[in-house]
Amino acid sequence: DTGVSQNPRHKITKRGQNVTFRCDPISEHNRLYWYRQTLGQGPEFLTYFQNEAQLEKSRLLSDRFSAERPKGSFSTLEIQRTEQGDSAMYLCASSFNPRGGRRDYGYTFGSGTRLTVV
Amino acid sequence: AQSVTQLGSHVSVSEGALVLLRCNYSSSVPPYLFWYVQYPNQGLQLLLKYTTGATLVKGINGFEAEFKKSETSFHLTKPSAHMSDAAEYFCAVTITGTASKLTFGTGTRLQVTL
Repeated sequence: DTGVSQNPRHKITKRGQNVTFRCDPISEHNRLYWYRQTLGQGPEFLTYFQNEAQLEKSRLLSDRFSAERPKGSFSTLEIQRTEQGDSAMYLCASSFNPRGGRRDYGYTFGSGTRLTVV
Repeated sequence: AQSVTQLGSHVSVSEGALVLLRCNYSSSVPPYLFWYVQYPNQGLQLLLKYTTGATLVKGINGFEAEFKKSETSFHLTKPSAHMSDAAEYFCAVTITGTASKLTFGTGTRLQVTL
């Protein structure tokens, strides 16, 4: 178990460019979450997947954002036409949610991808 | 909707002194409460959590927190601060039926001085 892995760790991009981040969750975890954290704030929920299904998207996730988890394993978060306001730390987390069983409610977070839009 | 308020964006203590970080929550149903720690340019590490059962919860690194329903609080304490405790601390809440989505507070930066 190597934990939740996020790549890249840092990304600097010019305004208007597209960027894609990857998250590899803990292998047996069926839920995957994306959060965004801006400077001086707590993380804010963006979206989550149960296996390959994206079950909820926050209103923070504009049309320029898209997330996928094609095989229920790794996930990607793409931002199109980046804006300076997209500069933030993007955090991925995973958890195991047993069907009909007692939930642990314990996430494991990755180290995040820090995006800087210049 | 649930929410969390962390009082004090910065807290400074001397090494060896008591650490007290405050967290108050708002929730219309019984909450599940968490404390996370974040070191610079790192993700979040779970310190402790309250779901059900005993209201005094012990976590890693000597931290503990007590769920007080009457005060809607979940304050984090540690009897004796260590230099390595300097970090950002986040309180978070979730409730049943929300797919375990966490709502975080704005964080408290703990500084430990000699």
